[in-house]
Amino acid sequence: NAGVTQTPKFQVLKTGQSMTLQCAQDMNHEYMSWYRQDPGMGLRLIHYSVGAGITDQGEVPNGYNVSRSTTEDFPLRLLSAAPSQTSVYFCASSTGLAGSRDTQYFGPGTRLTVL
Amino acid sequence: AQSVAQPEDQVNVAEGNPLTVKCTYSVSGNPYLFWYVQYPNRGLQFLLKYITGDNLVKGSYGFEAEFNKSQTSFHLKKPSALVSDSALYFCAVRDSNAGNNRKLIWGLGTSLAVNP
Repeated sequence: NAGVTQTPKFQVLKTGQSMTLQCAQDMNHEYMSWYRQDPGMGLRLIHYSVGAGITDQGEVPNGYNVSRSTTEDFPLRLLSAAPSQTSVYFCASSTGLAGSRDTQYFGPGTRLTVL
Repeated sequence: AQSVAQPEDQVNVAEGNPLTVKCTYSVSGNPYLFWYVQYPNRGLQFLLKYITGDNLVKGSYGFEAEFNKSQTSFHLKKPSALVSDSALYFCAVRDSNAGNNRKLIWGLGTSLAVNP
């Protein structure tokens, strides 16, 4: 199993550009999430999905879109990048089983810089 | 409202000494509690969790944590620290009675430095 994979590892964008951060998992997990990690802010939830075709907003959803057309993939789209979106982005997945739902498996992260 | 606090930004300990990383929480119902570790330039890895049962939970890499309901704490401990334990540690909590709100609440992290 590859676990949770994320691409790209690093990305530099100019203000106003759009891009998609890719996330895939091969564990057949129902739950997938996107977080951003900023110094002094800990982890903040952007969007999450409880299964294919179902997504919902987290704490900081503005400026980001997600979709979940398959169980495996959960891409995060930046619509018009802003310097405030400079961050490290983590994708995570977990099973839907009660008691195991919150044991999350994280990808290696994407370090995004917006100039 | 749910919250979790890690009162120390940084913990320094000498190799071979016991270590403790502190976590306190606030939820209205019963807590589900978690510890994750992040090594430099890596994603987070699950260490251990408390859902129910024995208050002392054992996890990966020799770590353990004790759930203390009266003090609303879930401190992470290890009897003998290794230099390789140096990392960022995150505590997280979810209210088991939160209904449809199943989101984890994360602490800000504690940086552990183990000195040789």
